[in-house]
Amino acid sequence: GEDVEQSLFLSVREGDSSVINCTYTDSSSTYLYWYKQEPGAGLQLLTYIFSNMDMKQDQRLTVLLNKKDKHLSLRIADTQTGDSAIYFCAERPSGGYNKLIFGAGTRLAVHP
Amino acid sequence: GAVVSQHPSWVICKSGTSVKIECRSLDFQATTMFWYRQFPKQSLMLMATSNEGSKATYEQGVEKDKFLINHASLTLSTLTVTSAHPEDSSFYICSARDQNPYTEAFFGQGTRLTVV
Repeated sequence: GEDVEQSLFLSVREGDSSVINCTYTDSSSTYLYWYKQEPGAGLQLLTYIFSNMDMKQDQRLTVLLNKKDKHLSLRIADTQTGDSAIYFCAERPSGGYNKLIFGAGTRLAVHP
Repeated sequence: GAVVSQHPSWVICKSGTSVKIECRSLDFQATTMFWYRQFPKQSLMLMATSNEGSKATYEQGVEKDKFLINHASLTLSTLTVTSAHPEDSSFYICSARDQNPYTEAFFGQGTRLTVV
């Protein structure tokens, strides 16, 4: 079946690194995504990784993919207060290019 | 990125009335639009997928007679919640993409519906 799981809450100090973890079940997923949702707003695509990649870096963001364990992580370096938001992991199952399966979201709180 | 706009951002309606939510793509032709529903502290659940000019495809468990979707043009899709009840109160989000199924879908800002 299709299922994406994330921890619900993460608290970090400003300037530290944040690591948000996600596990998924569909080993044939083609793309995996990280979205950011600020209060009362829609989703903003942060980054994505194709399933044949291990790592992708984009400025302060680093995505690591362990396909064997079906584990995805998002690392935010030098976390700022503006990074406080809910972060959703999502997978795109193969053959289901119309559909994204979302995790429940991880609420990141950044404190001084 | 491309812009998708939802209207209204929030709406309060009386139980038993119907509410229409609009989703517009402002700078691209949205061949396909998706409607999601998000309960507090929960994830987005896909409700339906609509292709321009065709009937929407609903996910299992979503009542098509209650959640009417129209996608009559390449820039506009509407979701009408008919005979709304308090349990329909939720955050509704649309996303849209062009004709390439592998391109990114862009999300609207969402509509918070409260039924009293």
